[in-house]
Amino acid sequence: DAGVIQSPRHEVTEMGQEVTLRCKPISGHNSLFWYRQTMMRGLELLIYFNNNVPIDDSGMPEDRFSAKMPNASFSTLKIQPSEPRDSAVYFCASLYRTMNTEAFFGQGTRLTVV
Amino acid sequence: DQQVKQNSPSLSVQEGRISILNCDYTNSMFDYFLWYKKYPAEGPTFLISISSIKDKNEDGRFTVFLNKSAKHLSLHIVPSQPGDSAVYFCAASHNNNDMRFGAGTRLTVKP
Repeated sequence: DAGVIQSPRHEVTEMGQEVTLRCKPISGHNSLFWYRQTMMRGLELLIYFNNNVPIDDSGMPEDRFSAKMPNASFSTLKIQPSEPRDSAVYFCASLYRTMNTEAFFGQGTRLTVV
Repeated sequence: DQQVKQNSPSLSVQEGRISILNCDYTNSMFDYFLWYKKYPAEGPTFLISISSIKDKNEDGRFTVFLNKSAKHLSLHIVPSQPGDSAVYFCAASHNNNDMRFGAGTRLTVKP
């Protein structure tokens, strides 16, 4: 398996524009997580899905952020409108939720909002 | 609310010596704890884990200790090697849900 795949690797956009980050989890995994890495909070959990259903989105900063998982092999994180303070590295991770096990991370998307 | 805390943003040790990274958590429902290692421009990679029914897990040079009463865990690396230089994240979960991470500790191992 190619692992968790995120796209794009880098995104530079202007303030006010819509940004969509994409994630393909490892085949067979049934839980998916979106994280944002910041200096202050480290890896901050934004939202996670079990079996494509959002379970906890309390970490989503504002209504400008939304996430979907239309099927087991694809998820998106959308920011609309984007702001400079959204600039960060966003990670997607997946795991097979049957017993305690580790999550596997993608390489991340570095977002810069200017 | 920061349920997992790593209070030391950085740590520097000499090659061959022991590195000790610390982590505290607040949620007593957490039952699984993990350490991840992260190099620049890469995603975090799993290093070692421990279930709440244990107090120690060892894998080669890496040992994780769990003190449930103190809600504290630590990662020991011995002997430390320059290739261990990275950011280390502590994580905790309950029933494999909402895996929460700390802010990370940057470890530098000097030759």
